[in-house]
Amino acid sequence: EVQLVESGGGLVQPGGSLRLSCAASGFTFSSYWLSWVRQAPGKGLEWVANIKEDGSEKYYVDSVKGRFTISRDNAMNSLHLQMNSLRAEDTALYYCARYDSGGEGYFDYWGQGTLVTVSA
Amino acid sequence: EIVLTQSPGTLSLSPGERATLSCRASQSVYRSYLAWYQQKPGQAPRLLIYGASRRATGIPDRFSGSGSGTDFTLTISRLEPEDFAVYYCQQHGSSWTFGQGTKVEIK
Repeated sequence: EVQLVESGGGLVQPGGSLRLSCAASGFTFSSYWLSWVRQAPGKGLEWVANIKEDGSEKYYVDSVKGRFTISRDNAMNSLHLQMNSLRAEDTALYYCARYDSGGEGYFDYWGQGTLVTVSA
Repeated sequence: EIVLTQSPGTLSLSPGERATLSCRASQSVYRSYLAWYQQKPGQAPRLLIYGASRRATGIPDRFSGSGSGTDFTLTISRLEPEDFAVYYCQQHGSSWTFGQGTKVEIK
């Protein structure tokens, strides 16, 4: 059974940093792209970042470029999101998601999310 | 960036009725790489449809997707009580974007 479990969320002041993690199990981790998708309270879904199987390619939504860094540790089956210079508009539930292996661009499994709140 | 516009915003229907949800893209979606997700309160999204019309593993056949180019539709043939939720479309062609969602509520 595919499982994705996020951790690392919390309350942080504007301008601060936070590192999210996602522990994966139930599939061959190193064979899949992985993603972060966020959802602001009461709002819709927003794709944040993707990372290739070997970490050699990374993509970001424009609003987080230069502030967020996606990374992975294939030996530990873990995905990370380093978030710097956080803003109030980054407040959201952050989901870790497995990205389709065939390159068709969908997210087939999701974690339950970890909440990030940016507030003074 | 491709913008996805879903309509209607809210759909009020009774169990057993047919639901038709629309997703319109601002530009043609590359190779119909269009997916649909269901999200219930307090839960993560669940993949329903990918490639515009292919059902994901374990998804009942009352859910169907259709469309190409810029116009896509999710149809739920007969609403079950567990189908009342928010539905999102999502594309991958130019980056990855989601629609704003359609809430299917009990009438």
